[in-house]
Amino acid sequence: GAVVSQHPSWVICKSGTSVKIECRSLDFQATTMFWYRQFPKQSLMLMATSNEGSKATYEQGVEKDKFLINHASLTLSTLTVTSAHPEDSSFYICSAPRGRGQPQHFGDGTRLSIL
Amino acid sequence: GIQVEQSPPDLILQEGANSTLRCNFSDSVNNLQWFHQNPWGQLINLFYIPSGTKQNGRLSATTVATERYSLLYISSSQTTDSGVYFCAVAGLNTGGFKTIFGAGTRLFVKA
Repeated sequence: GAVVSQHPSWVICKSGTSVKIECRSLDFQATTMFWYRQFPKQSLMLMATSNEGSKATYEQGVEKDKFLINHASLTLSTLTVTSAHPEDSSFYICSAPRGRGQPQHFGDGTRLSIL
Repeated sequence: GIQVEQSPPDLILQEGANSTLRCNFSDSVNNLQWFHQNPWGQLINLFYIPSGTKQNGRLSATTVATERYSLLYISSSQTTDSGVYFCAVAGLNTGGFKTIFGAGTRLFVKA
């Protein structure tokens, strides 16, 4: 069964709305989680590293004020897309490793559509 | 940062054919995974293979870490094998956690 749960799986909302996506590790603690974005027919691009108890680390070119990340506990990270616009429409997916040198476990992704 | 290159970018096969997908990476890794992304976007983990060889049914994978490449073999391909195959690596120099994806190989298997 799934070891990383992501919610919601699909969001459609109006431009200007803020959208929160949750990522939970179900049977292990994850001090680090990762957020990716995937545009149609492209690969997964790493957006940021979510760190429990400290600030997230963002990849170059990713707006930290647009994509707010909060690692609230050892099993939950949230990504909030603030004041979303149509160009933010994408597939967002999170992952968490069980530990260093362990495989990454991925959520099923969130398809975000901004009208 | 670490670079990941996959080849070929696109592949069309007749059902029953065999194929080899390749993943080259630019730095030492301590994590390498092969994924199949289904039409709904779910990443199906095929192999966790930072080194060595593994087999699972019609699929097998080999990673030669010293030469910085990995191969995914698909034998007796079926139409259900269609989709995008990603290689993803975590480099030692990035702390061994941060996983970077290759561009993927888009496979279409014809009936």
